[in-house]
Amino acid sequence: DSGVTQTPKHLITATGQRVTLRCSPRSGDLSVYWYQQSLDQGLQFLIQYYNGEERAKGNILERFSAQQFPDLHSELNLSSLELGDSALYFCASSSTGSQDEQYFGPGTRLTVT
Amino acid sequence: DAKTTQPPSMDCAEGRAANLPCNHSTISGNEYVYWYRQIHSQGPQYIIHGLKNNETNEMASLIITEDRKSSTLILPHATLRDTAVYYCIVRVDRRAGNNRKLIWGLGTSLAVNP
Repeated sequence: DSGVTQTPKHLITATGQRVTLRCSPRSGDLSVYWYQQSLDQGLQFLIQYYNGEERAKGNILERFSAQQFPDLHSELNLSSLELGDSALYFCASSSTGSQDEQYFGPGTRLTVT
Repeated sequence: DAKTTQPPSMDCAEGRAANLPCNHSTISGNEYVYWYRQIHSQGPQYIIHGLKNNETNEMASLIITEDRKSSTLILPHATLRDTAVYYCIVRVDRRAGNNRKLIWGLGTSLAVNP
């Protein structure tokens, strides 16, 4: 158990819809990262937040957005969903903002039908 | 951006050492090499990282060549539970702004056989 929690574990929704994925980092960690992993693909870094502020941005689509709240939990919002958005979405946390050792949650499996 | 190259798959007999290679020929002097692994569909797990010197912890050893253009992750006594995809990552920092990002490749799928 990494100490990072993600909800929900599974999510099935239709094209065009909007969903919100939630992540709680390990106690004391200030950084949260979001990743997307499509079937048989590597991890794609989406975005990083550090202590409430956006720190780094990867290949995140404009239809996707994220935020980190004062209690340090984070939400990833995915809108206008397409079939190609079906993937595992992982959240990770680290103690600092410099992308050192990251601890990953169990992921949310999103299926868009 | 510094990228890594790993063999797509490897096999190892249970109880033997697993040696997983990684090439990172464009690595910069202040970039670290990180290793993670991902057991089927679970969240990746941090293993080890290093800059120049060899490193060892309870999970593995990391050997980095003197020119830092390649490294090897060693699992000294592989078990069936070590079957996973192993990712070698170089941490990239851009001096302009905060545009930092980790680049994850497809990793090496290690199969530990009984």
